[in-house]
Amino acid sequence: AQSVTQLDSQVPVFEEAPVELRCNYSSSVSVYLFWYVQYPNQGLQLLLKYLSGSTLVESINGFEAEFNKSQTSFHLRKPSVHISDTAEYFCAVSENTGGFKTIFGAGTRLFVKA
Amino acid sequence: DAGVIQSPRHEVTEMGQEVTLRCKPISGHNSLFWYRQTMMRGLELLIYFNNNVPIDDSGMPEDRFSAKMPNASFSTLKIQPSEPRDSAVYFCASSSAGGPQETQYFGPGTRLLVL
Repeated sequence: AQSVTQLDSQVPVFEEAPVELRCNYSSSVSVYLFWYVQYPNQGLQLLLKYLSGSTLVESINGFEAEFNKSQTSFHLRKPSVHISDTAEYFCAVSENTGGFKTIFGAGTRLFVKA
Repeated sequence: DAGVIQSPRHEVTEMGQEVTLRCKPISGHNSLFWYRQTMMRGLELLIYFNNNVPIDDSGMPEDRFSAKMPNASFSTLKIQPSEPRDSAVYFCASSSAGGPQETQYFGPGTRLLVL
């Protein structure tokens, strides 16, 4: 069965600094990988996802994540964060076995300081 | 599209009472998921449906929890009797029937407090 580990529960960073949120997964089959973001008092919404092809995927607001199969990682990065990026970020994985189950990590709270 | 709709948004009840949470998925989506989010346990999948049929309910905590999906546009999660440890935010999400690569669209959640 698949599992997801987000290595940092909280990441404080100053505005305009770069940030990396780490995610490792475990699975015996090929996977799909997702990053979701949750703003305060809201549901989760998709930030970006990797299905196949290029290992580098990007979101419309400047985040990117790279699928590294050998290291079973899918770290999320942004070169310059904004105050508005303050939120909780969830890494998620689902297995390419025809099922519908997606496993979410414990979340990383990104706090951007002025 | 209105997105996933959940009601109520907030619920405060006393221990022992029955609680019913409601969800309307995005029109045309065939998969529906119920999650529970707490500080201690994070986001937990309780149950998911495909084409109105429960596929995996292994995450349902115990017999006090039940979920139904009588049609493609409505689902309920019921807790009877409720206990203080059920206090959490409950999310409903839906996705199209394409499989595990599909994005899940989350509702705004129901914040449940059991006193």
